[in-house]
Amino acid sequence: QKEVEQDPGPLSVPEGAIVSLNCTYSNSAFQYFMWYRQYSRKGPELLMYTYSSGNKEDGRFTAQVDKSSKYISLFIRDSQPSDSATYLCAVMEYGNKLVFGAGTILRVKS
Amino acid sequence: GAVVSQHPSWVICKSGTSVKIECRSLDFQATTMFWYRQFPKQSLMLMATSNEGSKATYEQGVEKDKFLINHASLTLSTLTVTSAHPEDSSFYICSARVTSGVSYEQYFGPGTRLTVT
Repeated sequence: QKEVEQDPGPLSVPEGAIVSLNCTYSNSAFQYFMWYRQYSRKGPELLMYTYSSGNKEDGRFTAQVDKSSKYISLFIRDSQPSDSATYLCAVMEYGNKLVFGAGTILRVKS
Repeated sequence: GAVVSQHPSWVICKSGTSVKIECRSLDFQATTMFWYRQFPKQSLMLMATSNEGSKATYEQGVEKDKFLINHASLTLSTLTVTSAHPEDSSFYICSARVTSGVSYEQYFGPGTRLTVT
């Protein structure tokens, strides 16, 4: 079993849709949770960083962490074609290295 | 967010030569930096973790004599690919971690595309 499971997609949605991206993890020791966006041939860009269970909102993005279920989500409201990218979830234990999901390819059609 | 730069953004070199890639944290100090490698349509593969002033810790299967890492200061880490071969052609990405209180945010550079001919 992988430490972090993420559906690779691709996920195709119409412009303006709400997008839901999800990851599950197996190790309850993970305490830090991040979502990255990566465009082709670019480095990953940190979108959201959370430390605890609950929701965190930043503009059109909302990150949700449920530690009891070991489940993390990223919601994108009013999706735009420019949101088309690969979205990587990442989890981390205290002071340790990031563990990435496989990445979900998102395509927003105009 | 914090900014991490990499130089060069792309490089072509001949087989057998060495290539150095620089990674800088521009607006914060990074005690810990990371080097990743990414093949097309695959996720990031961690190569090594470097801490300022100490030797890098390499992941299993990564040749430390081939991929030399130096973390000379709190804002600069370098990766040198020695005696490069075509199979070393890849996208190399560095990352720097902000350590402040309970924050362990990690920021990535734009990547360096290495082509060995």
